[in-house]
Parts: sequence; C-alpha cells; structure tokens
Amino acid sequence: QVQLEESGPGLAKPSQTLSLICNVSGDTIGSGGYYWSWIRQHPGKGLEWLGYVSHSGRSHYNPSLRSRVVISVDTSKTQFSLKVRSVTAADTAVYFCVRGGNSFNYFGMDVWGPGTTVTVSS
Amino acid sequence: DVQMTQSPSSLSASVGDRVTFTCRASQTISTYLNWYQQKPGKAPNLLIFGASSLQSGVPSRFSGSGSGTDFTLTISSLQPEDFATYYCQQSYSPPLTFGGGTKLEIK
Repeated sequence: QVQLEESGPGLAKPSQTLSLICNVSGDTIGSGGYYWSWIRQHPGKGLEWLGYVSHSGRSHYNPSLRSRVVISVDTSKTQFSLKVRSVTAADTAVYFCVRGGNSFNYFGMDVWGPGTTVTVSS
Repeated sequence: DVQMTQSPSSLSASVGDRVTFTCRASQTISTYLNWYQQKPGKAPNLLIFGASSLQSGVPSRFSGSGSGTDFTLTISSLQPEDFATYYCQQSYSPPLTFGGGTKLEIK
C-alpha cells in the first residue's frame, strides 16, 4: 500500500526558501506512469496545485507561482521535494504531497500525504 | 488556464437525502474530471475519477456524470459521515485546477 508523508520546517522567514520533502513508501517514483504533485491549501480556503514531477522526471509548474517553485526527485526514487523561493506570508498554508494518478485513472490524485503546516513569519 | 466553478458553495441536507453537486469547466475537458471529499483537518480523498468511475473503496452511493464542460456528483442517500467539503478538479491540462468547493452541512 502506497503511503506518502511530508516533512520539513513548519516555520519559514519572509524572503527565505521553503523546503519540504515527501517520503514515498510502498512504491517508487518512475513506476506505473504516475505523476507526483505538491498541492497547498491556505487557511480556510480551497486547493491550489503547485506542480508535478512525472514518472520520467519531467516537471511542470503552476504559472501563478512565477517561477518560484522547483520540484525534484531524489536519486533513490523514494522521495521528491518542493522548494519555494522568496516566500511571503501568502505562502502560509498546509502543503500536501500527492500521487497524481496515471493515464488509467484520468490522473486522479489517489494517494495523499497527511499534510504539513508551514507558517511564514519573521 | 481552465477555470472550475462549483455550485452551490454550501448546501444543507438531512441524512437519507439525495444531493447533487455541480461543477462547470471554462472550456471542454472531455471526461478529465475528478471529485474529492475533504473533512476538516484531513487530506482530500479521491471519490470519482474520469467523471464517472468510482475509486476503489468508495461507497456506491456516490456517483458522477458529465462530459465536456458540465459535471455532477450525486450522493444517493446521505450518511452522517458524508458531511464534508467536496471539490472537483480537472486533469485535462496543466495547470491542474480545482473548483472552489461545496460545503455539505447537516440541516
């Protein structure tokens, strides 16, 4: 059974880089044609897709983040990471790592980490 | 970007009721439409993928329909554990986008 879990600092200072890691257990990135995403949810708000890395290592990002986001895969293929540069208070949110499905399930996001809260504050 | 619009934003219903949620895409997305349920403090849970396919482990009282730009999620007989927020999401083209959600509350 595939499980995901986010880890990283719960607090970031304005203008710094937010870095989170998603640990993947029960699967490896690269198998099954899956896409691996990061999604965030601002307090009391809806869901925002930040980007994904594909099974082949190709990345695609949400243009709304203005190139501040990088998603990459660890060489072990059991972790993928998120970096958000130049954070502000607007980046305060719960961050989820997600297995974003494959072509067989219309890329439905079928496995989610529990989420990790990141607060941006000086 | 494909904009996703859900209606209503909130809905009150009783146990045993049949409820329907609506989601509209700003352009055609074929059947690349997924539905999620989210309870407070928890990650979303995939209910329906491909507009009408039930995710494994999801009760059969949930069903989805639609194609193109208009989609619906129906719960045939509400159970107490169904009170939550429901989101639609298009996976047709990046950036992947979600609707604003419909909060289902107990009447």
